Amino acid sequence: GNSVTQMEGPVTLSEEAFLTINCTYTATGYPSLFWYVQYPGEGLQLLLKATKADDKGSNKGFEATYRKETTSFHLEKGSVQVSDSAVYFCALSDQDNQGGKLIFGQGTELSVKP
Amino acid sequence: GAGVSQTPSNKVTEKGKYVELRCDPISGHTALYWYRQSLGQGPEFLIYFQGTGAADDSGLPNDRFFAVRPEGSVSTLKIQRTERGDSAVYLCASSLGGRREELFFGEGSRLTVL
Repeated sequence: GNSVTQMEGPVTLSEEAFLTINCTYTATGYPSLFWYVQYPGEGLQLLLKATKADDKGSNKGFEATYRKETTSFHLEKGSVQVSDSAVYFCALSDQDNQGGKLIFGQGTELSVKP
Repeated sequence: GAGVSQTPSNKVTEKGKYVELRCDPISGHTALYWYRQSLGQGPEFLIYFQGTGAADDSGLPNDRFFAVRPEGSVSTLKIQRTERGDSAVYLCASSLGGRREELFFGEGSRLTVL
């Protein structure tokens, strides 16, 4: 079945460091891929998405490229801030999905220190 | 507020009791989803409504779990004969209902079964 695997956390970085959170997936066909973020005390919110191979999603300085050949959707940011501290979830929606049935990874906690 | 609202935010109950969790979606959103998130895990799909009907209930773990959305807006997740393993955060999300639309999540209802 479809699945998503993320790198384990927690990840601790200093402010302005480069961030990579790895995400790989298993799915048939051509899923859509998402990164959701959960800030402390808030609900999950969409960070970025990509709906086909080689698409790059970007938002708030974060980027992720849909790589079908490596079945990956790694999240990157060139210079993290303290305010980026949160839990990040990679997710997929398979191509036959008519609605929002997402399959999530286990989440990666990011802590950015000043 | 304009976001997805879930009540109660916290619920503590005893094993064997009945529990109801409520979700009030964003106005105008036709699709509504319930997910369950255990500690240290990503959200796990339970059920998806399009309007009043359950379009996909494949994630409900057993017949103790049931959800309704009688008027196509507010939804209630009902859990009968609660077990300790039901302890989790129950998340509700809504969307405009199209394919691969962004999901907007509430802050969740934390259920603890003693």
